[in-house]
Amino acid sequence: QSALTQSASVSGSPGQSITISCTGTSSDVGYYNFVSWYQQHPGKAPKLIIYDVSNRPSGLSNRFSGSKSGNTASLTISGLQPEDEADYYCNSYTNTNTWVFGGGTKLSVL
Amino acid sequence: QLQLQESGPGLVKPSETLSLTCSVSGDTLSGGSYSWGWVRQPPGKGLEWIGAVYYSGRANYNPSLRSRVAMSVATSKNQFSLSLTSMTAADTAVYFCARVNSETYADSWGQGILVTVSS
Repeated sequence: QSALTQSASVSGSPGQSITISCTGTSSDVGYYNFVSWYQQHPGKAPKLIIYDVSNRPSGLSNRFSGSKSGNTASLTISGLQPEDEADYYCNSYTNTNTWVFGGGTKLSVL
Repeated sequence: QLQLQESGPGLVKPSETLSLTCSVSGDTLSGGSYSWGWVRQPPGKGLEWIGAVYYSGRANYNPSLRSRVAMSVATSKNQFSLSLTSMTAADTAVYFCARVNSETYADSWGQGILVTVSS
């Protein structure tokens, strides 16, 4: 199974919105609505921010939202804040009951 | 509050077997609706799914690691474990344990443990 495709980096200014895309195949992203997104700050463990394409864990800011169209999922962060600067990884459950991660996107808040 | 904590050696010799344990507090492994997984991250690189195991012992593994990996659960100790054989330098990574919800996402993570493969 190949890794999901994410752009290597994205940047935005405080208050702006950015979108990170995650492209897979009909065997993973396009097969189920089981895409999740994780935020990882340097030296820290990943943190779940979106599950099942568009659901946020309890207590998470509604500035984070997710969507999917066909084989591509997207994470949108609105009202960028300095603490949003981190690496973001998408993940998909596959039709062989395995997981596949994206390569990660580094978000810079300028 | 759920907490997961990895433990094991920080240094492994090439060709040896890595054994890691994840201790869970704030939840019970036999709770039923969760499985328990491992993810690793080579230095400076992205996340790689290793696999996950249910309290029953049923497990799913990354196809690229399937021939070398085994996971198990010790419900009496509220721990689950990872074994990875024939270690090479390419296996050098931070290894994270996690609680897996609905088989499809990890909702809680341990802090990670760096494992270096070197003679």
